[in-house]
Amino acid sequence: DQQVKQNSPSLSVQEGRISILNCDYTNSMFDYFLWYKKYPAEGPTFLISISSIKDKNEDGRFTVFLNKSAKHLSLHIVPSQPGDSAVYFCAASARLRNDYKLSFGAGTTVTVRA
Amino acid sequence: EAGVAQSPRYKIIEKRQSVAFWCNPISGHATLYWYQQILGQGPKLLIQFQNNGVVDDSQLPKDRFSAERLKGVDSTLKIQPAKLEDSAVYLCASSLVIGSGQETQYFGPGTRLLVL
Repeated sequence: DQQVKQNSPSLSVQEGRISILNCDYTNSMFDYFLWYKKYPAEGPTFLISISSIKDKNEDGRFTVFLNKSAKHLSLHIVPSQPGDSAVYFCAASARLRNDYKLSFGAGTTVTVRA
Repeated sequence: EAGVAQSPRYKIIEKRQSVAFWCNPISGHATLYWYQQILGQGPKLLIQFQNNGVVDDSQLPKDRFSAERLKGVDSTLKIQPAKLEDSAVYLCASSLVIGSGQETQYFGPGTRLLVL
């Protein structure tokens, strides 16, 4: 069963504009959420995370928003740059239950147009 | 700091053959994970080690998959015999000991397996 869902397989955005990636989850035990970025032929690279006690976390051009009641999180990239073209995975874990394994979404491929 | 190393990077085998993958985690990382990523899907955990003990192998197809982490450092994942549906990228990740507050997982480049 897919506990983490990324319903948009792809996103195309113009350089300098905002990229918004969405993620939904079904497991109410999840309390820690992450975004990973993946380039072709490389492993996923950690980008940003958020704990369930927060609703926003910002790191430079990247901001993650968490809406626990809706079981929804989003990643905003502002401004988008050509180097941001990659596959972005949303992931979640249940750390308070000592469950650190990550459940991943299927990924969203972002293409930033010059 | 060296990242997670994996080998081989690519492997092509015929069904019913055996194959093994190797992973060397980041130095000092006690926790090691093996994930399977089928094309078009996100990575799925196969097995998690803490040092040389298994923490979670609930999603490992134990009739054909096995993994070990002798001495709590390097790890090998084996498939015997392989099936067509095992074609995937096998990712190894490592993190500091769970419960430390620094459990971010760092991934290797993966091994791409094609079963014909």
